[in-house]
Amino acid sequence: GAGVSQSPSNKVTEKGKDVELRCDPISGHTALYWYRQSLGQGLEFLIYFQGNSAPDKSGLPSDRFSAERTGGSVSTLTIQRTQQEDSAVYLCASSLVLAGDGTQYFGPGTRLTVL
Amino acid sequence: GENVEQHPSTLSVQEGDSAVIKCTYSDSASNYFPWYKQELGKRPQLIIDIRSNVGEKKDQRIAVTLNKTAKHFSLHITETQPEDSAVYFCAAPKAAGNKLTFGGGTRVLVKP
Repeated sequence: GAGVSQSPSNKVTEKGKDVELRCDPISGHTALYWYRQSLGQGLEFLIYFQGNSAPDKSGLPSDRFSAERTGGSVSTLTIQRTQQEDSAVYLCASSLVLAGDGTQYFGPGTRLTVL
Repeated sequence: GENVEQHPSTLSVQEGDSAVIKCTYSDSASNYFPWYKQELGKRPQLIIDIRSNVGEKKDQRIAVTLNKTAKHFSLHITETQPEDSAVYFCAAPKAAGNKLTFGGGTRVLVKP
């Protein structure tokens, strides 16, 4: 079946612009996660959605970052007034159940470059 | 929250030798420990996981061991091959299981 998909695959923007990154999780997966990965670095947790529960936003680095998940499926990560330090690969993952008991499947990522 | 430490950060081995990566975690209630492999320019992919009710799990050349008392788990790769070259991440959940905390990653280079 189809895996996690993300769009766009690459995004180049100018400092100060807003960007929207999209994630389509695997159908039926109730949990969805956003991570950020800077070049050569590890996986930085950003935000997590589980069903209809309030999202865990504890990883968002600033109030310029926000995310929503509509209808329990597609998610959009929005970065307002982008800064050069926002340049990274943004990865989305989904799982059938909570991370404590389920495998996370990652999308291919969106490479964001802020000029 | 959960704190996951991963060592070493880089590991260079000769083809055919074994590679071992170790992770420690802080939350004694954690019960699921996955390992992900990320090849250059690609997404992380699960290669093996272990749950707290077992101490060891094997899948061909890959094995994972878990010591809950000491709160550490390790990835063992035997008979390494060049295609094993990648970054490997361990992870552990918070007690409530609502998200994974990843280790910092280990860059493995298998020299032919």
